Amino acid sequence: AQKVTQAQTEISVVEKEDVTLDCVYETRDTTYYLFWYKQPPSGELVFLIRRNSFDEQNEISGRYSWNFQKSTSSFNFTITASQVVDSAVYFCALRWGNAGNMLTFGGGTRLMVKP
Amino acid sequence: GAGVSQSPSNKVTEKGKDVELRCDPISGHTALYWYRQRLGQGLEFLIYFQGNSAPDKSGLPSDRFSAERTGESVSTLTIQRTQQEDSAVYLCASSLPATQLAGRTDTQYFGPGTRLTVL
Repeated sequence: AQKVTQAQTEISVVEKEDVTLDCVYETRDTTYYLFWYKQPPSGELVFLIRRNSFDEQNEISGRYSWNFQKSTSSFNFTITASQVVDSAVYFCALRWGNAGNMLTFGGGTRLMVKP
Repeated sequence: GAGVSQSPSNKVTEKGKDVELRCDPISGHTALYWYRQRLGQGLEFLIYFQGNSAPDKSGLPSDRFSAERTGESVSTLTIQRTQQEDSAVYLCASSLPATQLAGRTDTQYFGPGTRLTVL
């Protein structure tokens, strides 16, 4: 079975702090894809990153960085120098091998960045 | 270009009535998905269309739920005899086809959702 767990339901930080959102996944497939989406208060899901299971290189995009570790089945997301505009719900998702292209989502982490 | 659009943005209905939700995918996207998001929760997969293949309905919660898609364009999600537990945001997403042989997958782009409230 496929499963994505985001253990942190809510995180509150003060602006300029760094924050890491955890994501742990379960799958039996050797080929799979991991995603992070942001859902701001407006409600629309915004794609942030896609990573396939064969690429364990960490990625940095501006203030965002992602740490993919197959050994611990984790795909954590770090925001450096957080800003109020980062306040949103962040979802980690898994797409696995041959089951079409459907995504299994974690429960989301609500990030609140206070000024 | 234009993103995924959904209509209506909000729908309030009475228990027992039928509702239809519409999704217009990104042009050229042959894959289309419906998800449901209950308040404060993650997204649950409902149904997946890929080109002319038979849809994957494995996520539909009951036979009151159905969806259709005309070719590779608009899709409608129908909920018959709505119940209060159907209240949720219904999200549609579209993508290019997954190309398993190439080891690629294509990102799903989401619409703004339809907030359904069943009184």
